[in-house]
Amino acid sequence: SQKIEQNSEALNIQEGKTATLTCNYTNYSPAYLQWYRQDPGRGPVFLLLIRENEKEKRKERLKVTFDTTLKQSLFHITASQPADSATYLCAYGTNAGKSTFGDGTTLTVKP
Amino acid sequence: DTEVTQTPKHLVMGMTNKKSLKCEQHMGHRAMYWYKQKAKKPPELMFVYSYEKLSINESVPSRFSPECPNSSLLNLHLHALQPEDSALYLCASSQPSRDRDHEQYFGPGTRLTVT
Repeated sequence: SQKIEQNSEALNIQEGKTATLTCNYTNYSPAYLQWYRQDPGRGPVFLLLIRENEKEKRKERLKVTFDTTLKQSLFHITASQPADSATYLCAYGTNAGKSTFGDGTTLTVKP
Repeated sequence: DTEVTQTPKHLVMGMTNKKSLKCEQHMGHRAMYWYKQKAKKPPELMFVYSYEKLSINESVPSRFSPECPNSSLLNLHLHALQPEDSALYLCASSQPSRDRDHEQYFGPGTRLTVT
């Protein structure tokens, strides 16, 4: 069955640096990968989606890449701020609309 | 309006009770989802409704019964739950069109405690 893994449970970085989060998947290739942000006690908030035929997507300080050869997606936050501290979830999706989430990486940006 | 609302925010119920969780969206989305999330774990898909029809049931026990009365509303009926069913229940919606690629909008969740 499809499996999705986020390498780090936690990531601590200094304010102003670039945070890089990793998402790896196994077995068949998903139609798309999504990245969400979740704050404690709240529902996930959609950030970016990248399709299997796209290499890179950007939105403001966020960038996501999709490497189907490595079966990996990287999520970057440039010029990170303490307000970026949250849990970031990677999810793979099928064209049937089913999404499966990774365990998440909790990012802490220190001032 | 890009909001998904869920009621109640918190619910405490005994194992013999019957209760319902409610979810509403007015974004015109035609797909709606129920997820269960335990502490420090990712959301786990339970059910998907597409155009008011149940399209995915992830082998969820029958003590959870979903209902989609119309395109804006989604209910989750609960009966004879177990303490291990205590979790955050999340509702989400999306527009299943080729352009939007199932970008999901989540509600704030209902924190359920089964005693």
